Amino acid sequence: DQQVKQNSPSLSVQEGRISILNCDYTNSMFDYFLWYKKYPAEGPTFLISISSIKDKNEDGRFTVFLNKSAKHLSLHIVPSQPGDSAVYFCAANPISGYALNFGKGTSLLVTP
Amino acid sequence: DTAVSQTPKYLVTQMGNDKSIKCEQNLGHDTMYWYKQDSKKFLKIMFSYNNKELIINETVPNRFSPKSPDKAHLNLHINSLELGDSAVYFCASSHTGTGDSNQPQHFGDGTRLSIL
Repeated sequence: DQQVKQNSPSLSVQEGRISILNCDYTNSMFDYFLWYKKYPAEGPTFLISISSIKDKNEDGRFTVFLNKSAKHLSLHIVPSQPGDSAVYFCAANPISGYALNFGKGTSLLVTP
Repeated sequence: DTAVSQTPKYLVTQMGNDKSIKCEQNLGHDTMYWYKQDSKKFLKIMFSYNNKELIINETVPNRFSPKSPDKAHLNLHINSLELGDSAVYFCASSHTGTGDSNQPQHFGDGTRLSIL
């Protein structure tokens, strides 16, 4: 059973605008949440993370929001750039666990 | 100076063969992992090793055997390859930690395994 869900397989955004990628999870034991970016024929690259004790973490153009009561997190990219076009994976780590549970990814296309 | 490196990048072989994929990390991490990305692009954990000891062994056929000669290496050996083993295999590594000290995993570029 999939514990991390990304319900939008794809998203298209114009350059300069905000990209919002969403992720839902079902396991209340998840303690640490991450976003990875993946280009074709490359491995996932760590982008930004947030622990369950926070509700927001910001790094440059990237902000992750966590709503624990709704079991929902989102990644905001602003402003979006063509180089942001990639597949974005949401992942979560159980408390004291080691393995990451991944969503199926959202393919983001940023058009000029 | 690649942080997590896997070899080979591509592996094409016939059903029934035995093959190995190597992984090395130079980040000084104490935990290493193998993930499988199937045809539906879903990334799923296979194994996790912490300080050379097996921590996680998900429901994976025992034809798959991980071997960790030291903390910097985690190799994956696959016996009697089957068509369903065709996938991309990713190695990853991290420091262990929980809560606010939790650390991200860093991934290699993957090994694309194709079974003929």
